[in-house]
Amino acid sequence: TQLLEQSPQFLSIQEGENLTVYCNSSSVFSSLQWYRQEPGEGPVLLVTVVTGGEVKKLKRLTFQFGDARKDSSLHITAAQPGDTGLYLCAGAKAGANNLFFGTGTRLTVIP
Amino acid sequence: EAQVTQNPRYLITVTGKKLTVTCSQNMNHEYMSWYRQDPGLGLRQIYYSMNVEVTDKGDVPEGYKVSRKEKRNFPLILESPSPNQTSLYFCASSEDRVYEQFFGPGTRLTVL
Repeated sequence: TQLLEQSPQFLSIQEGENLTVYCNSSSVFSSLQWYRQEPGEGPVLLVTVVTGGEVKKLKRLTFQFGDARKDSSLHITAAQPGDTGLYLCAGAKAGANNLFFGTGTRLTVIP
Repeated sequence: EAQVTQNPRYLITVTGKKLTVTCSQNMNHEYMSWYRQDPGLGLRQIYYSMNVEVTDKGDVPEGYKVSRKEKRNFPLILESPSPNQTSLYFCASSEDRVYEQFFGPGTRLTVL
């Protein structure tokens, strides 16, 4: 059983469209990270959120941590082909020494 | 350049033949971990290490061993590989589990 479930699992959209990816759990996390992974490479950190309700923006990407710190979303505005990749959320639970990764969302942006 | 290196990048082996995948980081990070990535299952943690000589099991430790004798190195050992260990493996390091994880380039392992 996955601690963090991401949806959708696959997403294919046209360049210029907006999209939202979700990361959900029944557990509370002290912090949550979002990574992007491109083929043949390891994941690269995009953002870390630590406060319930926190919103962070990274150019066209907007990240939100749920008020209860059980979920998070990633919204991309005007998607571009360079946004194509596997998006992973990862959560750290208070008192635990390991990091839990979500199942991933594979995004394809078609030119 | 700050980086995590893994070797080999690709490996094809046979069932039961012991192998080691090396991992080294040059960032003086305390925390290191190993993950495997499988389609539909995301990244699952195998083992992690909070510091030298301190290691602990992650979510899927069965069939794997690790050691942390030096701060920079964290090898992954498969004593008797089996086909269900065919996967893409990543080593990562960070200052702490809650901070940015720096990932290596991955090792694609096939066990026949």
